Amino acid sequence: EVQLVESGGGLVQPGGSLRLSCAASGFTFSSYWMSWVRQAPGKGLEWVANIKQDGSEKYYVDSVKGRFTISRDNAKNSLYLQMNSLRAEDTAVYYCASPRVRWGQGTLVTVSS
Amino acid sequence: QPVLTQPPSASASLGASVTLTCTLSSGYSNYKVDWYQQRPGKGPRFVMRVGTGGIVGSKGDGIPDRFSVLGSGLNRYLTIKNIQEEDESDYHCGADHGSGSNFVWVFGGGTKLTVL
Repeated sequence: EVQLVESGGGLVQPGGSLRLSCAASGFTFSSYWMSWVRQAPGKGLEWVANIKQDGSEKYYVDSVKGRFTISRDNAKNSLYLQMNSLRAEDTAVYYCASPRVRWGQGTLVTVSS
Repeated sequence: QPVLTQPPSASASLGASVTLTCTLSSGYSNYKVDWYQQRPGKGPRFVMRVGTGGIVGSKGDGIPDRFSVLGSGLNRYLTIKNIQEEDESDYHCGADHGSGSNFVWVFGGGTKLTVL
């Protein structure tokens, strides 16, 4: 069964850091672009970042450029999102996705003092 | 970059049909759009991709034949026939734009479908 399982969310103070992880199984992870997409409470989806199969290309939404870093480890079938300088507006459920294959169940990040 | 507009809500009776609309902003009539279903408390699920010629590629895993798409002008439609209780969900449309450092992936605001 194709699965994506996120972890690493939690409560963090403004200006703090958090690292999200996503464990993939049931498909050839190394063959797919991967994405992080977030959803603020009661809001729609917002794309955050993409990474190419071999990690050589990475793209970010303007609001997180310079603060967030997407990475992957194909040997471990894992995707990561390092989030620094977090702001209240980053509060959201963060989904790991191979968009036309599978999405995870999400992990909640709350930025608050 | 394109802007995708969706009505915030829709409703349909059990067993009826409903068509959801995603409208691209002017100048983007050749763009393809992905539809995603998000059941309450769950992550999104790919439904299918649609261009002006109809479906592009295959439906997502487990998407029943009751779901179909059409594209016309700036509009991309998702039609659900013989609506079931499990179809009550938020439906999102998304489109990617640009390449390289200009790449963006944009979503509409989502439509909440209520099954009566």
